[in-house]
Amino acid sequence: DIVMTQSPEYLAVSLGERATINCKSSQSVFYSSHNKNYLAWYQQKPGQPPKLLFSWASTRETGVPERFSGSGSETDFTLTISSLQAEDVAVYYCQQYYSNSRVTFGPGTKVDIK
Amino acid sequence: EVQLVESGGGLVTPGGSLRLSCEGSGFTFSAYSISWVRQAPGKGLEWISSISSSSSYIHYADSVKGRFTISRDNAKNSLFLQVNSLRAEDTAVYYCARDRIGSASSFFFDYWGQGTLVVVSS
Repeated sequence: DIVMTQSPEYLAVSLGERATINCKSSQSVFYSSHNKNYLAWYQQKPGQPPKLLFSWASTRETGVPERFSGSGSETDFTLTISSLQAEDVAVYYCQQYYSNSRVTFGPGTKVDIK
Repeated sequence: EVQLVESGGGLVTPGGSLRLSCEGSGFTFSAYSISWVRQAPGKGLEWISSISSSSSYIHYADSVKGRFTISRDNAKNSLFLQVNSLRAEDTAVYYCARDRIGSASSFFFDYWGQGTLVVVSS
């Protein structure tokens, strides 16, 4: 199975500052014939189910604020919150769907206010 | 409005069984693959099973293969997960989640239910 790792595990950022979350896959999730990275990002707030933020590593879902951005390719990916807001406090997960009968999630990064 | 509502969770003793259900509304249920994803208390997300729109393709995580069975009834807009031989480590919130892409299984998920809690304990 493709193993997903995330860093850091915990991130405390001041309001209005940048938050950067890294996600690494144990093998490339770039499908060359489709020219796409099979990588999604989710946000999970306490007591709620996950919310899809990005697919294909950088395609923002409708309604996701533009302060969120996704980037990266092959094995290294980043979720950036350009200016942290109070409502962004959550756990963020990356997920690969390259191995599509062996979907795996990263362990999560908890983002809090400093 | 797209909604997924799980039910059927509860307290069960080790070795016991449950049947989890997920009812969809607000979309053409029969057009989408649906998955079960679970989350142990205070832990991360674990995909456990997927079923394609017409039930032609079914996948399981190794951790549940042979013990869990996914099925669906498109006429009733319902998804099921029969969970047998339960172990303490199966304790989790079980979510059903809809595939983002309706035309084919995508294995990433745009709508999730609120989850149903399964507790395995003696």
